[in-house]
Amino acid sequence: KQEVTQIPAALSVPEGENLVLNCSFTDSAIYNLQWFRQDPGKGLTSLLLIQSSQREQTSGRLNASLDKSSGRSTLYIAASQPGDSATYLCAASTGGFKTIFGAGTRLFVKA
Amino acid sequence: ETGVTQSPTHLIKTRGQQVTLRCSSQSGHNTVSWYQQALGQGPQFIFQYYREEENGRGNFPPRFSGLQFPNYSSELNVNALELDDSALYLCASSKRDRGTTDTQYFGPGTRLTVL
Repeated sequence: KQEVTQIPAALSVPEGENLVLNCSFTDSAIYNLQWFRQDPGKGLTSLLLIQSSQREQTSGRLNASLDKSSGRSTLYIAASQPGDSATYLCAASTGGFKTIFGAGTRLFVKA
Repeated sequence: ETGVTQSPTHLIKTRGQQVTLRCSSQSGHNTVSWYQQALGQGPQFIFQYYREEENGRGNFPPRFSGLQFPNYSSELNVNALELDDSALYLCASSKRDRGTTDTQYFGPGTRLTVL
């Protein structure tokens, strides 16, 4: 049974800091891993998708890596801004086309 | 804007009632997944529909059922509502092609409150 864990649960950083969010999964047989952002009371916004054959993806200030052998993915955010404040969720898609989410990391960037 | 819409936005029901939630997928997408998100938690996978058939199901009882229509829109039906069914219900559409699934795009969700 696939389990996804995100560390830390919450994070508060000053504006401009570079930061790393961690995601671990127990079953390495994943099809892809996706990172999302969720603002309070809203739906999810897709940030990056890494297919199982890929090692990383980049979009602007965001970089996500995937290491299937160790069951880990990281989301790197460069030069954080107050607008980055949100909950960040990772999700692993596995056999049977199930998608398992972590509980998320709540990020607060102080101006 | 993802192009995925959900209705209604909010809904209040009482225990034992039935509810139907609707989702219109993004143009060109053939797969719809439904999730339940309780307050402060990550979304929990309910099931996925591909070409009008259920294709993958999470740990939800049979009173959670769904449909996908020829235009790839979808419904989530929940019978015999319980208090614990109160949550944000999210649908996500994606394009599946030759066994791989592309990025999931989420709708804004339906907030269901069961009293």
